[in-house]
Amino acid sequence: QVQLMESGGGVVQPGRSLRLSCAASGFAFGVFSMTWVRQAPGKGLEWVTVISHDGGSVHYADSVKGRFTISRDNSKNTLNLQMNSLRPEDSAVYYCVRIGYGYDFGGGFDPWGQGTLVTVSS
Amino acid sequence: QSVLTQPPSVSAAPGQKVAISCSGSSSNIGSNYVSWYQQLPGTAPRLLIYDNDERPSGIPDRISGSKSGTSATLGITGLQTGDEAVYYCGAWDSSLSAVVFGGGSQLTVL
Repeated sequence: QVQLMESGGGVVQPGRSLRLSCAASGFAFGVFSMTWVRQAPGKGLEWVTVISHDGGSVHYADSVKGRFTISRDNSKNTLNLQMNSLRPEDSAVYYCVRIGYGYDFGGGFDPWGQGTLVTVSS
Repeated sequence: QSVLTQPPSVSAAPGQKVAISCSGSSSNIGSNYVSWYQQLPGTAPRLLIYDNDERPSGIPDRISGSKSGTSATLGITGLQTGDEAVYYCGAWDSSLSAVVFGGGSQLTVL
């Protein structure tokens, strides 16, 4: 079945870096655009970034632009999120999500991984 | 402050129906497709509706979506206690070149 498994979360000090990874299985990874969505504790969903199926097109939320970098390795069915210059407000559960339906980057996000918690604190 | 506006909470009795609204602008809902998600407590969100009114496989037909102008609506009929969750709308925003979400609507089945 289709599965997305995030890893790499943890506690990190402000200003430091962290790299999240997402292992995809059960589908043709290289055919789908992928996205990261985060959710701070007790808050709503916040979109972070998206990458097209071949990595040729990427977009970022203003809140992370210039600090976060999304990438993918279609040969390894892996999605990555390099997070630099982390701030306390970046603390959240980060979800790896496939854009499984629809015609644009805002299309149906499905499925979602279980999420990995990132805590930025001194 | 979310780009898409949803009511913070909605409620209805078991067996009844509810409509959850999502208001945007010409750069998001007005010109792009809308998706809807359900998030049960302690779980990851789940896709309910994509492309304004399409249901993925496995989503029952008592769940529906519609769009008119710069607003969209999620409808749920035959409410069950298991429907208690937070519901989010989302869409691509052509001006921001970003995906935008609503702030979420907590559904209570009384």
